[in-house]
Amino acid sequence: DADVTQTPRNRITKTGKRIMLECSQTKGHDRMYWYRQDPGLGLRLIYYSFDVKDINKGEISDGYSVSRQAQAKFSLSLESAIPNQTALYFCATSDLGADTQYFGPGTRLTVL
Amino acid sequence: QQQVKQSPQSLIVQKGGISIINCAYENTAFDYFPWYQQFPGKGPALLIAIRPDVSEKKEGRFTISFNKSAKQFSLHIMDSQPGDSATYFCAAKNQGGSEKLVFGKGTKLTVNP
Repeated sequence: DADVTQTPRNRITKTGKRIMLECSQTKGHDRMYWYRQDPGLGLRLIYYSFDVKDINKGEISDGYSVSRQAQAKFSLSLESAIPNQTALYFCATSDLGADTQYFGPGTRLTVL
Repeated sequence: QQQVKQSPQSLIVQKGGISIINCAYENTAFDYFPWYQQFPGKGPALLIAIRPDVSEKKEGRFTISFNKSAKQFSLHIMDSQPGDSATYFCAAKNQGGSEKLVFGKGTKLTVNP
């Protein structure tokens, strides 16, 4: 969905490096989410934010941090990347009171 | 703790056949059950969703069947087409609770021509 963009789309990095994945949306939604997708494990929630001042941990937040710079921007950081953080990362948004989440195209991260 | 169990993990169907994917949930507070469709290289997108006040919802060739007493719901794809080949995720949410979606592990559907 072009309304939700993620940068970079692909990233290869080394163990111990700091990495930031960025998400921007033009939908005007208050709620933003970061998910991780691994083969056979589905989509797992890392962090979510219901507005600029609200940040919440998901089920797998260890090793990750986030920043909600504005309503439209939500960044995910890996402070010291490790190989088992190799995965596909998705940002999603939803409107207040609405059920549908709109996903970005994903960032494929490889940690060597 | 997996709150939504999805099966099968992969499914191969011939063109024109019926594809059936099943999900079971544990939390009786869940009251919204969507299915998301993901094509290779893309993010998931909402396909169809149901609330527990109805037992079935149909949109074109896609139908959700919901069994509240069994805590199960399933996606049926009638007249499956090669263009339906994708990964399908079921999910559940407690709208009066944390408002977070809990996803199943996904089913990779391949429809052979």
